[in-house]
Amino acid sequence: QVQLMESGGGVVQPGRSLRLSCAASGFSFSRNGMHWVRQAPGKGLEWVALIWSDGSNKYYVDSVKGRFTISRDNSKNTLYLQMNSLRADDTAVYYCATGGERDGPRDYWGQGTLVTVSS
Amino acid sequence: QSALTQPASVSGSPGQSITISCTGTSSDVGGYNYVSWYQQHPGKAPKLMIYDVSNRPSGVSNRFSGSKSGNTASLTISGLQAEDEADYYCSSYTSTSTWVFGGGTKLTVL
Repeated sequence: QVQLMESGGGVVQPGRSLRLSCAASGFSFSRNGMHWVRQAPGKGLEWVALIWSDGSNKYYVDSVKGRFTISRDNSKNTLYLQMNSLRADDTAVYYCATGGERDGPRDYWGQGTLVTVSS
Repeated sequence: QSALTQPASVSGSPGQSITISCTGTSSDVGGYNYVSWYQQHPGKAPKLMIYDVSNRPSGVSNRFSGSKSGNTASLTISGLQAEDEADYYCSSYTSTSTWVFGGGTKLTVL
């Protein structure tokens, strides 16, 4: 069955970095675009980033441009989100989800990993 | 990349129908037929309920339907059931090749 499992969350100080991973199984990872979506505690969903299936194109929400980088390793069936210069307002549960550019976050989502930015 | 506008809450009795609106602009909802709706129960990951304005993924009840007029998309749930009580989010593709979500609507089944 399809599984997406995020990892790498935790508590980090403002200004520091963190890398999230999303391990995929049960489907053809290399043929699917992938998204990151986040949800601050008690708040709504916020789309964060998208990467094409071959990694050739990447898109970001304005608030993370220049600080976050989405990437993937199709040989390892793994999606990444490198988060630099973290701020308190980046505190959220981060979900990975399958979906192409015009699909949006689609059929399969991970369970989420919590990132807390605090001194 | 402003969030789409949804009502904060809606409610209905079992068996009734409710509609949740999602208002954007011509650069997102109004410009593309790429609007999705998600259901999220507390502590759970979102679940796709409608994609491409009005299409239901396999396994989603036909009590859920979607539509769009101009810059506003809508989700209708008919024959409300207790299990439908959840948060609902719309999202849309945008002219900058990004996606934007609505603020979310809490559905209460009375």
